[in-house]
Amino acid sequence: NAGVTQTPKFQVLKTGQSMTLQCAQDMNHNSMYWYRQDPGMGLRLIYYSASEGTTDKGEVPNGYNVSRLNKREFSLRLESAAPSQTSVYFCASSPEHPSYYEQYFGPGTRLTVT
Amino acid sequence: KNEVEQSPQNLTAQEGEFITINCSYSVGISALHWLQQHPGGGIVSLFMLSSGKKKHGRLIATINIQEKHSSLHITASHPRDSAVYICAAPIRGAGSYQLTFGKGTKLSVIP
Repeated sequence: NAGVTQTPKFQVLKTGQSMTLQCAQDMNHNSMYWYRQDPGMGLRLIYYSASEGTTDKGEVPNGYNVSRLNKREFSLRLESAAPSQTSVYFCASSPEHPSYYEQYFGPGTRLTVT
Repeated sequence: KNEVEQSPQNLTAQEGEFITINCSYSVGISALHWLQQHPGGGIVSLFMLSSGKKKHGRLIATINIQEKHSSLHITASHPRDSAVYICAAPIRGAGSYQLTFGKGTKLSVIP
């Protein structure tokens, strides 16, 4: 099992460009999450999908959109990238939501917006 | 306002030392997670506990729900334990419970 995979691992964007971060899990988990990690701050939830067909905002959703394509895949889209979105992005999955279950994290995507 | 606080922020220990990392939270919760972030950036879940104590190898996690406090202990520390240790609690946000993370404790174990 690959667990949680993310693509790409690194990305550099210019301000105003768009991109989609891809995430997939092969553990048949119902719930998936997108977090960002910035220096000096804890991981912060951007969006989550408690189950296939549903998505909800987290703590810092502005500037992002998500799609739960199917049970396996959950993508994060930046429509018009800004320097404030420079961060490391982690996707995670867990068997169920809410967060009383262990979460499994992907390797992260390091995004720089210039 | 940080609902999940960790201490210390940074910790340097000699190999073999007993290490304690603390986590406190300001609202009632029913469970708490401990995670480890490797120097390369990967994050793995160590424990999820709702009461008492859990042990995995040299790692021990304890929680006192009433006192809103949890500790992570590492016995006989080793340089390979060097990592950032993060606690997280499911706290009710807009509409649902979401994991709220502490800022992490960076542990360096020196040979």
